[in-house]
Amino acid sequence: NAGVMQNPRHLVRRRGQEARLRCSPMKGHSHVYWYRQLPEEGLKFMVYLQKENIIDESGMPKERFSAEFPKEGPSILRIQQVVRGDSAAYFCASSPTAPLGFSSYEQYFGPGTRLTVT
Amino acid sequence: AQTVTQSQPEMSVQEAETVTLSCTYDTSESDYYLFWYKQPPSRQMILVIRQEAYKQQNATENRFSVNFQKAAKSFSLKISDSQLGDAAMYFCAYRSVSSNTGKLIFGQGTTLQVKP
Repeated sequence: NAGVMQNPRHLVRRRGQEARLRCSPMKGHSHVYWYRQLPEEGLKFMVYLQKENIIDESGMPKERFSAEFPKEGPSILRIQQVVRGDSAAYFCASSPTAPLGFSSYEQYFGPGTRLTVT
Repeated sequence: AQTVTQSQPEMSVQEAETVTLSCTYDTSESDYYLFWYKQPPSRQMILVIRQEAYKQQNATENRFSVNFQKAAKSFSLKISDSQLGDAAMYFCAYRSVSSNTGKLIFGQGTTLQVKP
């Protein structure tokens, strides 16, 4: 069973460009989380999605950032008009659908995408 | 809002010795989950150990164990017989049970150095 996959692993964008980060959850997982890690800091929650629904976007910046998790295909985190402050590692995590049991709450992390804005 | 604090930015331990990493948290909830994650230089987040708040017994996974003090809101990680491969950044994390979101709230992290 392949783990959570993220691509690209490294992404370089110039200020003002768009960045698209992709996340394929583990097989059978329909819950996806996005986190951002600034240099020398812990991970900060951004958004929680289920298939075709945004459940919690309380950690998303109000402008330029958006996320989706379509019925088919990977989850996408999109950053429009990137600025230097967007440079960070972006992690995706997935969890299974099981409604009961502690194991349903464990999140499995991908390797992250390191975004560098020049 | 819940917060997680790791007051030790860096720690070091001699190989084969024992080290304890500290974590405190703040919450008004009575039921929640606590986790320790390891982030090696590869940056991959690896779950080390987890604890359900309703369980009084401290969780143990091989050389890793926790000291969960619910009243004090403390959740420390003990690594016994430290190995070179334990060198990494360690994050403490909190997850609410009652909310409809599974988001994890992370501390700032502790960088662990293991000396041969």
